[in-house]
Amino acid sequence: EADIYQTPRYLVIGTGKKITLECSQTMGHDKMYWYQQDPGMELHLIHYSYGVNSTEKGDLSSESTVSRIRTEHFPLTLESARPSHTSQYLCASSEFSGQGAYEQYFGPGTRLTVT
Amino acid sequence: AQSVTQLGSHVSVSEGALVLLRCNYSSSVPPYLFWYVQYPNQGLQLLLKYTSAATLVKGINGFEAEFKKSETSFHLTKPSAHMSDAAEYFCAVTWNYGGSQGNLIFGKGTKLSVKP
Repeated sequence: EADIYQTPRYLVIGTGKKITLECSQTMGHDKMYWYQQDPGMELHLIHYSYGVNSTEKGDLSSESTVSRIRTEHFPLTLESARPSHTSQYLCASSEFSGQGAYEQYFGPGTRLTVT
Repeated sequence: AQSVTQLGSHVSVSEGALVLLRCNYSSSVPPYLFWYVQYPNQGLQLLLKYTSAATLVKGINGFEAEFKKSETSFHLTKPSAHMSDAAEYFCAVTWNYGGSQGNLIFGKGTKLSVKP
């Protein structure tokens, strides 16, 4: 059973507000990820991290930022929310290894609506 | 570059019928392949994975997939559909070489409907 948590599960917020989506995992995984998923669409990687103090941009450009101060915590922040940010955001983690496959474990997601 | 193509955005089957969800990949390095399932308003759950061991991979809930290098395919099958199989299914590829190793590239997904 994967132990990766996201809060809040649902968020409705007004334009211009600053928001932080929380993601935590208790598996001690080095690598963590943030994906953006529009309804009925595929997942797009927006950020990832190899470990503490490491953050990288993903394939899809995003106005959000991330930080990795602790291994288990990988929050995503939007400084000024806009309606175009309305989407589902999924967090995942995996073990970092030079061998074998990186099996990613996903959180339940945060559905963000910006009005 | 790596990519995944899932044929059919929506597949509908009758309960008890064969489920076949198609996935083709493109990869310049040996791939690792995954099938994930997503139920409404939930995250993704791993169904099965191919990691260069056996080409026929068995997963949870009676699903299996066969890696065919010559066809660059990794189709997902289940002999008999159940109502609880109705969900969105995503095929994904990753690799262990070079930059961004371990990052998943997802297909667009296939929504499976099961009719009683």
